[in-house]
Amino acid sequence: NAGVTQTPKFRVLKTGQSMTLLCAQDMNHEYMYWYRQDPGMGLRLIHYSVGEGTTAKGEVPDGYNVSRLKKQNFLLGLESAAPSQTSVYFCASSYSGRGWTDTQYFGPGTRLTVL
Amino acid sequence: AQTVTQSQPEMSVQEAETVTLSCTYDTSESDYYLFWYKQPPSRQMILVIRQEAYKQQNATENRFSVNFQKAAKSFSLKISDSQLGDAAMYFCAFGGSNTGNQFYFGTGTSLTVIP
Repeated sequence: NAGVTQTPKFRVLKTGQSMTLLCAQDMNHEYMYWYRQDPGMGLRLIHYSVGEGTTAKGEVPDGYNVSRLKKQNFLLGLESAAPSQTSVYFCASSYSGRGWTDTQYFGPGTRLTVL
Repeated sequence: AQTVTQSQPEMSVQEAETVTLSCTYDTSESDYYLFWYKQPPSRQMILVIRQEAYKQQNATENRFSVNFQKAAKSFSLKISDSQLGDAAMYFCAFGGSNTGNQFYFGTGTSLTVIP
């Protein structure tokens, strides 16, 4: 049981380049989330999904897109990377229909640097 | 929007001693949960403990317990018999029924355990 995995673990991009971060979970969770973590700011929600084929915006969605084509996968895309998107990105998943009550299971994070 | 405040950026504790990490939050909701997450140097966040707002009894998990003061909107974490493995960043988080699936995290407290 791998839990939540993220690919890649590290990435360096140049301004304007695009990339996709992959999150996968094997716990059959309905809910999945993408966060970014910046120094002194805690975690901030970028986008989330409450089920296959659904996505919604979080607190800081600008500059990012997401897709949830399969229940176990949640993709985060950066179409044109900017230095302000340098951050550590965490994926998380949770089980139930009352998302705010649930324990979130986190991936190990992806450290992204945009030059 | 909800706010979660952790006013102690850094704390230290002697091994085997007790330490308390502070968290305050601001909300107008009545149905909500509070969480403490631990982020060790490996970066992967794990749940330490959670508290449902409707429950007056403070949650406990082995050496970890909370002091939930609902009227004061305070949710502190007490770690007893501190161990070297407790060294980590600790994040307080809020999830409420009206905020749906959006969790709000504090900025974290870095805990050092001194041998």
